[in-house]
Amino acid sequence: SAVISQKPSRDICQRGTSLTIQCQVDSQVTMMFWYRQQPGQSLTLIATANQGSEATYESGFVIDKFPISRPNLTFSTLTVSNMSPEDSSIYLCSLRLAGGKNEQFFGPGTRLTVL
Amino acid sequence: DQQVKQNSPSLSVQEGRISILNCDYTNSMFDYFLWYKKYPAEGPTFLISISSIKDKNEDGRFTVFLNKSAKHLSLHIVPSQPGDSAVYFCAASFGGSSGTYKYIFGTGTRLKVLA
Repeated sequence: SAVISQKPSRDICQRGTSLTIQCQVDSQVTMMFWYRQQPGQSLTLIATANQGSEATYESGFVIDKFPISRPNLTFSTLTVSNMSPEDSSIYLCSLRLAGGKNEQFFGPGTRLTVL
Repeated sequence: DQQVKQNSPSLSVQEGRISILNCDYTNSMFDYFLWYKKYPAEGPTFLISISSIKDKNEDGRFTVFLNKSAKHLSLHIVPSQPGDSAVYFCAASFGGSSGTYKYIFGTGTRLKVLA
């Protein structure tokens, strides 16, 4: 398994500002993922963050809005830029360990409220 | 287009009885299915999975059944315990052209086990 921590655990932000969410893992992993869970919705993949390369974004998500950094194999950040109330959501960092059961591990999430 | 659907947003079951959570999918390319459990203020945790080459996988009190012709899977919990009260997410994956094995999640079913 893997231990994943996220900071902050929650935040309340004003419209138009930006928030950077940090994800730290206790294992060196190649692939990390960022998800969003809006109220009553499923976990939606925002992007895949590979170390040493640009993040790969899913349809409906763009780098200008959700820039991602992946400076090393144990750390990643997701920034939610120019926030609006529609960005209020839980943001989750996730990773998949090489080999094993092809299961994914999730961080505890960051609950973001935009006023 | 919701490729993975959990049509029951909530379910209540008496302690000791069987809990059955259902999940339907639309994409016949999915070849791996998982169930995750999520407690409040925590990230989802892996519960059990099944490959498309099987129709049943059992792990203790948890059994997942896959009906490929119906594009349906279900999670059975027997006997149900109050600690099983959580939100359960169904997920499906396939390799795709990039081999990234993206996970597509359902919207979740909130299970409440009554003591």
